[in-house]
Amino acid sequence: GAVVSQHPSWVICKSGTSVKIECRSLDFQATTMFWYRQFPKQSLMLMATSNEGSKATYEQGVEKDKFLINHASLTLSTLTVTSAHPEDSSFYICSAPRSGRADNEQFFGPGTRLTVL
Amino acid sequence: GENVEQHPSTLSVQEGDSAVIKCTYSDSASNYFPWYKQELGKRPQLIIDIRSNVGEKKDQRIAVTLNKTAKHFSLHITETQPEDSAVYFCAASTNNAGNMLTFGGGTRLMVKP
Repeated sequence: GAVVSQHPSWVICKSGTSVKIECRSLDFQATTMFWYRQFPKQSLMLMATSNEGSKATYEQGVEKDKFLINHASLTLSTLTVTSAHPEDSSFYICSAPRSGRADNEQFFGPGTRLTVL
Repeated sequence: GENVEQHPSTLSVQEGDSAVIKCTYSDSASNYFPWYKQELGKRPQLIIDIRSNVGEKKDQRIAVTLNKTAKHFSLHITETQPEDSAVYFCAASTNNAGNMLTFGGGTRLMVKP
């Protein structure tokens, strides 16, 4: 199967700082990547769709100026949580389908646990 | 947009028994229905999926059924083992949504030895 990596796997930061999370497709190209947020004991909630070469599409209720997404290449998308606050503490997971394929299967990164003090 | 409901939220079974988790979806255009197993702090792992042109799919102890008319699909795990204990999520997707997945709320399965 295809491999997606995320970096860092965990991060602890002070309130008010910004944190960047990287999502990479290691052995396939992904024109689209998805960013999810998962709070404890809850489901994965889609935050935004990252599109290579164009602006990200944000889900309702997700602040685009707070969660900056940049899809820099066909294998890399970054999510920057700006001015992080304790309520942003969560598990952030990216996923990507393989470009150019008709199937829908997505491949998930291992997730990044963000703790904001 | 798509809405996926999942039941039950928790399920406790004795080792060796079967477990069934059910999901309903709202968008009749959905055509891909994966099931994921997630252990604490880990990524979701695809355990089985089904597409809208198929009514049932089986892989060893795991099976999924799909009723397009009723817009519901179910996960069946037979001969459960303690290592099956985890949170299971169903999801739905359409090609029109660029492969975007909408997840159900999750089911915490506990298999008692």
